[in-house]
Amino acid sequence: DAGVIQSPRHEVTEMGQEVTLRCKPISGHDYLFWYRQTMMRGLELLIYFNNNVPIDDSGMPEDRFSAKMPNASFSTLKIQPSEPRDSAVYFCASSLGGGQNYGYTFGSGTRLTVV
Amino acid sequence: SQQGEEDPQALSIQEGENATMNCSYKTSINNLQWYRQNSGRGLVHLILIRSNEREKHSGRLRVTLDTSKKSSSLLITASRAADTASYFCATVLKTSYDKVIFGPGTSLSVIP
Repeated sequence: DAGVIQSPRHEVTEMGQEVTLRCKPISGHDYLFWYRQTMMRGLELLIYFNNNVPIDDSGMPEDRFSAKMPNASFSTLKIQPSEPRDSAVYFCASSLGGGQNYGYTFGSGTRLTVV
Repeated sequence: SQQGEEDPQALSIQEGENATMNCSYKTSINNLQWYRQNSGRGLVHLILIRSNEREKHSGRLRVTLDTSKKSSSLLITASRAADTASYFCATVLKTSYDKVIFGPGTSLSVIP
């Protein structure tokens, strides 16, 4: 298995533009998580899905952020409009059965810079 | 405040020495996990220890868990330069067992 695949690896965009981050989880994993990592705030859980259904989006910072999982092999995180404070590394992770039995497998992340 | 916090925030040791990192948490857990993150990369799962376990080994890694003190430690024996990374403690709560909450991490530097 190729692991969790995220795209793009790097994204530089201007303030106000729409940004879409993509994630392909490991086949067979039933949970998918989106995290954001910054020096100031560390790793923050934004939202997670179980069997393609959003379970907890309480970590999504604002209405500008939205996430979808149309099928078991694909998820997107969208920011519209983007702001400089959204600059961070965004990670997608997947797991089998949530965190109670197995660890998460992380993608390589998308480094987002909003100028 | 954080559910889990690592101590120290940063650690620098010579190659061949042992490295010990500690984690404290606040709320009852289902399990506790340790992850490693190399610079510019995603996190890699190292080990999971359940609340009814006290010690677990994986290669050069040894993890202990003391639920009475709400603390865990990660020991890396005979460290190598390749062990240079950030190490994160992560907890799965009994009340919310399907998500992992990460601490701020310990930055480990192993000097050749």
